[in-house]
Amino acid sequence: SQQGEEDPQALSIQEGENATMNCSYKTSINNLQWYRQNSGRGLVHLILIRSNEREKHSGRLRVTLDTSKKSSSLLITASRAADTASYFCATPPSGGSYIPTFGRGTSLIVHP
Amino acid sequence: ETGVTQTPRHLVMGMTNKKSLKCEQHLGHNAMYWYKQSAKKPLELMFVYSLEERVENNSVPSRFSPECPNSSHLFLHLHTLQPEDSALYLCASSQDSGADSLFYNEQFFGPGTRLTVL
Repeated sequence: SQQGEEDPQALSIQEGENATMNCSYKTSINNLQWYRQNSGRGLVHLILIRSNEREKHSGRLRVTLDTSKKSSSLLITASRAADTASYFCATPPSGGSYIPTFGRGTSLIVHP
Repeated sequence: ETGVTQTPRHLVMGMTNKKSLKCEQHLGHNAMYWYKQSAKKPLELMFVYSLEERVENNSVPSRFSPECPNSSHLFLHLHTLQPEDSALYLCASSQDSGADSLFYNEQFFGPGTRLTVL
């Protein structure tokens, strides 16, 4: 069953601003992944953060994980119009399955 | 280009038609997935195959029938669909190296097939 949920559902910012989106989950996890989806396309893996990591960077992306609050955040710094996309977190579902489950995503629009 | 291709990219079909979606991966992976993505809903996992064996089937109606003839190809056969089945169908692949690696290993997605059922 679905476990992760992204917040906000939609975010609209100007180019150059930072964008922050959050993911909350319900049960303990070993790791969490973030994916990006351009309109009408497949998802692209961005970053995986393990439960023993608190922060991870990849280019302009910064992901944090707070296992005590069961939440993760994805920060995109100095956003560009090309960052316009939907962003999903993937978490292991409850119930013993190892297949990651995805939330509804955060729809990010970056205005030039 | 992620190394996962899907055909057709767009499909319009009537409720009485039979059609098939095709997915092919060129990454040497041994696990493949079908997902359904409807507007304003979470991405729904439909089927998972690992080493050509189905490992997960999430209560999908029988009008959807998967087929995995080898580790590089995955099909979704469609029969007597309903208008609510209209969605973007995504295929993905990853490497299953045992234990819980299906979660740890990155999934590579195809561009999807946009299906409209009239």
